[in-house]
Amino acid sequence: DTAVSQTPKYLVTQMGNDKSIKCEQNLGHDTMYWYKQDSKKFLKIMFSYNNKELIINETVPNRFSPKSPDKAHLNLHINSLELGDSAVYFCASSLGLAAYNEQFFGPGTRLTVL
Amino acid sequence: DQQVKQNSPSLSVQEGRISILNCDYTNSMFDYFLWYKKYPAEGPTFLISISSIKDKNEDGRFTVFLNKSAKHLSLHIVPSQPGDSAVYFCAARVFGNEKLTFGTGTRLTIIP
Repeated sequence: DTAVSQTPKYLVTQMGNDKSIKCEQNLGHDTMYWYKQDSKKFLKIMFSYNNKELIINETVPNRFSPKSPDKAHLNLHINSLELGDSAVYFCASSLGLAAYNEQFFGPGTRLTVL
Repeated sequence: DQQVKQNSPSLSVQEGRISILNCDYTNSMFDYFLWYKKYPAEGPTFLISISSIKDKNEDGRFTVFLNKSAKHLSLHIVPSQPGDSAVYFCAARVFGNEKLTFGTGTRLTIIP
């Protein structure tokens, strides 16, 4: 039974398109995250939501907009896709806002922008 | 500004021997450190962690050592097994901040 799931697993699209990646967790966690792993393998946080509220918003272009319809879901919408957006995007969740809560990751979505 | 560094991109170790993965950090505000393991086409999975009030934490075959004065931590795996072949990420956070800062990973290959 998958704890953190993402769809789609692969996404190939043209520059300029708008696309969404969905994330769901069935762990009952309060906090969810989006990470980006670029071609240099840096795994960098983009956003974090706690109980549907945005708590971390790193320096990310405003073409990226996270949406959390409820605690179990955190979707990522990307407008006007650019070549540099090609990366693997990971969703994660944790119990809540405490220093010692480990984060559970989804399998990743490989986005390729042509 | 790379605050968490894993300077060895890859490491090969004979099965049954000890694997030692290293991680250095620059931010003295980090006070909680984690190791994640990642297989291809999967997300990272939590392995072991250590708080800055400790210098060692052990869980089965895995031990993490923290040297705060050197801003260095290491993960020891003993004995190494073929299933340990994966990419290992070191991560760190500041207390009270959910943001994890990751290193770039070390690919560990266990040779049978």
